[in-house]
Amino acid sequence: KAGVTQTPRYLIKTRGQQVTLSCSPISGHRSVSWYQQTPGQGLQFLFEYFSETQRNKGNFPGRFSGRQFSNSRSEMNVSTLELGDSALYLCASSLGGVMETQYFGPGTRLLVL
Amino acid sequence: GQSLEQPSEVTAVEGAIVQINCTYQTSGFYGLSWYQQHDGGAPTFLSYNGLDGLEETGRFSSFLSRSDSYGYLLLQELQMKDSASYFCAVRDNNNDMRFGAGTRLTVKP
Repeated sequence: KAGVTQTPRYLIKTRGQQVTLSCSPISGHRSVSWYQQTPGQGLQFLFEYFSETQRNKGNFPGRFSGRQFSNSRSEMNVSTLELGDSALYLCASSLGGVMETQYFGPGTRLLVL
Repeated sequence: GQSLEQPSEVTAVEGAIVQINCTYQTSGFYGLSWYQQHDGGAPTFLSYNGLDGLEETGRFSSFLSRSDSYGYLLLQELQMKDSASYFCAVRDNNNDMRFGAGTRLTVKP
């Protein structure tokens, strides 16, 4: 079974631009969660989608948004990029239950200049 | 507030045993998980404790005490390849997955 895939793997943007990241979950997984990872803050939960609906949202500004498609693929969008948005963005998929194991993708490393 | 506390760094030698502690304070609790992440890699699931006690998976064991809001990951017979960051994580009653800041384990020869 193929793992979680994320595209692109690396991205360089400038302040004020917007970016869209994509995540394809493991086949059969209906939940996709997004995390921001920075050296000082660890993994910070952004949001979770389940069956095309946002189920949970972390404490991030409205510039961060996401969506999930009927095939469970998910995208996250960051508008009006700031230097502090430079991070590794990880998505994780699971079957969707509360205690289900999350399987992480390799991440998209975003650098904002 | 909600928090998970774990040591930032641990160093040990090959063949030794190391314990990484995690204390948590969250609104609601649906079990403690542990993830391993090598430099440049994605986090991978190691273990889960939903109930008090010890869970053993090969060289790795994880323990939970819900009354103490405390758990630990025990790594035995350390190998060089165990050098990585280890994260504890809790799912709270909002179903949000909260991770600790991670413990960087360095295994020396």
